[in-house]
Amino acid sequence: DAGITQSPRHKVTETGTPVTLRCHQTENHRYMYWYRQDPGHGLRLIHYSYGVKDTDKGEVSDGYSVSRSKTEDFLLTLESATSSQTSVYFCAISEGGAVYEQYFGPGTRLTVT
Amino acid sequence: GESVGLHLPTLSVQEGDNSIINCAYSNSASDYFIWYKQESGKGPQFIIDIRSNMDKRQGQRVTVLLNKTVKHLSLQIAATQPGDSAVYFCAEDDNDYKLSFGAGTTVTVRA
Repeated sequence: DAGITQSPRHKVTETGTPVTLRCHQTENHRYMYWYRQDPGHGLRLIHYSYGVKDTDKGEVSDGYSVSRSKTEDFLLTLESATSSQTSVYFCAISEGGAVYEQYFGPGTRLTVT
Repeated sequence: GESVGLHLPTLSVQEGDNSIINCAYSNSASDYFIWYKQESGKGPQFIIDIRSNMDKRQGQRVTVLLNKTVKHLSLQIAATQPGDSAVYFCAEDDNDYKLSFGAGTTVTVRA
């Protein structure tokens, strides 16, 4: 398995609180992605990074921000969590030569009450 | 709306039979089309890809077919096994280092 870890794996938080999810890779891959997965919607891209300090928005970026200060870490922050952000969040990595071959982390289940 | 979609949300298959999972796409400019498998409680896993200039590509027990005329992609699994029970996603490369995923088909293998 690709060396990708996500923390925490499970989190319950209250509406209005800030939440940060961490993705850590040991593969030295250039590209990193944050997705959310909801029933009936498959995987939807939140934000992605194409290098240290280089990030861009995906299709569902509202309410989320990201940071990448090191190659190995990609952080996803919910500034003020809402119930609509209850979801399973996946981090993925890929190399530039085959960006379509993404390796996914185990996921973080976030519940906003 | 989503540019990639699957025809059926669920598929039940007898063990040993062949499975066919279908997907429709709308972006004719995509260079690659990809299939991912997601087992319960895990992240998706890359299965196979096909480049847009190909019609067919075979892997181990899997075959992907691409019909650009009708914008249709399919994944065939030969001799389906219990370990093939999972959710299968098709995806397309948007030529900008990103993928667009379909909603997924849940495959259940009957013993």
